[in-house]
Amino acid sequence: GQQVMQIPQYQHVQEGEDFTTYCNSSTTLSNIQWYKQRPGGHPVFLIQLVKSGEVKKQKRLTFQFGEAKKNSSLHITATQTTDVGTYFCANYDNDMRFGAGTRLTVKP
Amino acid sequence: DAGVIQSPRHEVTEMGQEVTLRCKPISGHDYLFWYRQTMMRGLELLIYFNNNVPIDDSGMPEDRFSAKMPNASFSTLKIQPSEPRDSAVYFCASSSGGGSKVFFGQGTRLTVV
Repeated sequence: GQQVMQIPQYQHVQEGEDFTTYCNSSTTLSNIQWYKQRPGGHPVFLIQLVKSGEVKKQKRLTFQFGEAKKNSSLHITATQTTDVGTYFCANYDNDMRFGAGTRLTVKP
Repeated sequence: DAGVIQSPRHEVTEMGQEVTLRCKPISGHDYLFWYRQTMMRGLELLIYFNNNVPIDDSGMPEDRFSAKMPNASFSTLKIQPSEPRDSAVYFCASSSGGGSKVFFGQGTRLTVV
């Protein structure tokens, strides 16, 4: 898979605020996968995007894949303390290489 | 299914000792990955197998690291000799087909003193 870049590295929000993390590539991606890792846990699959311009929602989470398939975003509306963790994007094309991740902390 | 199973969960060893990490992938999965996670370097892909065959080991840091997959239900990652800088969490993961959902094990936290 292609190497992807993620920003920001860290994000601290007040509970109830929104949160967005971005994933970028210099080349066209066949897909983007998003994972969440809770503190002390292991990465857990959230979603996969494959189509240009694709948007998928999971409750308060919205995932987008750019029209050029070179970038993606994960947006969380009204964060909760249960959203705490590190969010990773990855391109899976035989092998799978993760971005550096965005660590989200939420202040109650 | 019990998911991807790794053992041991924690390992503390002295520098110079051999360390063997074990992984049982989900039954029926044909891809197996080994990752190393540290604060400084994030999640690094060490090696991956397809149908028990190593496909890309370019992420293996040194000759001290080796990985095998003797059959579809078992893989090992060996470090010999171990060094303090090898301290990290090592994850094994598996998937059914390239490009599908990847399932991670709980990880092995290795500490080399």
